[in-house]
Order: sequence, then C-alpha cells, then structure tokens
Amino acid sequence: RKEVEQDPGPFNVPEGATVAFNCTYSNSASQSFFWYRQDCRKEPKLLMSVYSSGNEDGRFTAQLNRASQYISLLIRDSKLSDSATYLCVVNKEYGAGSYQLTFGKGTKLSVIP
Amino acid sequence: GAVVSQHPSWVICKSGTSVKIECRSLDFQATTMFWYRQFPKQSLMLMATSNEGSKATYEQGVEKDKFLINHASLTLSTLTVTSAHPEDSSFYICSATPPDRGHEQYFGPGTRLTVT
Repeated sequence: RKEVEQDPGPFNVPEGATVAFNCTYSNSASQSFFWYRQDCRKEPKLLMSVYSSGNEDGRFTAQLNRASQYISLLIRDSKLSDSATYLCVVNKEYGAGSYQLTFGKGTKLSVIP
Repeated sequence: GAVVSQHPSWVICKSGTSVKIECRSLDFQATTMFWYRQFPKQSLMLMATSNEGSKATYEQGVEKDKFLINHASLTLSTLTVTSAHPEDSSFYICSATPPDRGHEQYFGPGTRLTVT
C-alpha cells in the first residue's frame, strides 16, 4: 500500500462549483498533514495545514480523521485560478526534531469557464 | 522570509556529462535540506536528506555515487548528477528547513534537467 494515496483525477468542474479531494495515508505515526498546490512545471506551494478539528481558509476547508487515516480538502466557489494539482502531504518525525515529508501523486483540478 | 533559490532553473546536457544543481536558503540558515525528484505525472520522491557538515542520507534505490550531495554551509547544498543519462531527465526540487522549525520545509523553484 502506498504511503499516501490520492485519486489522480482529473477533476473537471465549472466555475463556481464545489469540489472535494480525498487522501488516505498508511503510516499511523504520521504527525502533521498538509495540502500543497503545484502548478505545471513549478515547485509545490503550501496551501494549508490540516488539523483534526478541521480548518478553513476562505473558500478552502481541510479535515483530518486520524482514526480512518483520511484527509480531505473542499474547495467552494471554484475559480479558474484554482486549476492546479493538489498534493496531499504527511509529515513524520524520523529523529529528534527532524521531519520528513511524504507526498501523494496529486489530484489534478481543471476549472472550466 | 524563508526563501529558497535553485540554480540553474533548467539545464540540457549530453549523456555522460555531470551536472551540478545549487540550492540556497536566502534569508535563513538551513541545518537540513532535502532533495526531491519528480517525473512527469508522478509524485515528488525524496532522494536524500542533507545535513550541514555531515554526509547525506539517501533513500532506498538512490545511488549515492551517482547523485553526489554536498551541504558545506548552512545556506548551500549542491546536488551533482554524475555521468547523466536520459533516464535522469527529471524535475529536481530542493527544500530547506530552518533549525528552529524542523517541521516546516520551504521549497526551491526546481531545476528541470534534460539529458540528451
């Protein structure tokens, strides 16, 4: 089983739509969780951290379920500029104060006018 | 703050030659830097973890003699792809971690390597 699994998509949605991405992770020792956004031929950029209590940043809502090892991202009122690949990322400690990120393959989103 | 640069941003080289990629933390000191590789439509795969002043730790399946990593200062790590072959063509991305924020990584813009 892959450490971080995502539906690769693509998700093609009209502007204004709500879209949800899911992710599962296999390592129960994972300690922190993130969604990154990656545009074509660019480096990944942190979109938001994910907390068990759920957190929201504008049109973006992230949720973590540790028991199910499941992470989600909801995008409301999609904009054309949201078109990108969304990477689910987990972080685990491998030494005192040393952390390592594991990336999912990403879910591609295309927002259509 | 927390800006990471990479140089070059893209490079084309002939098979059998070596290519050096630099990763610099511009406004912070990075005790740890990471090197990733990403093939088209694939996830970022960690190649190695580089700690300043010590040998890099390579992930399984990554040849340490082919991918030479030097982290000689707190702001610079280099990755040298030796005797490059077309299958080494990829997007190489580094990230850096500030010493007091070990759970955060700041990514460089990446280097696109094409080996002909």
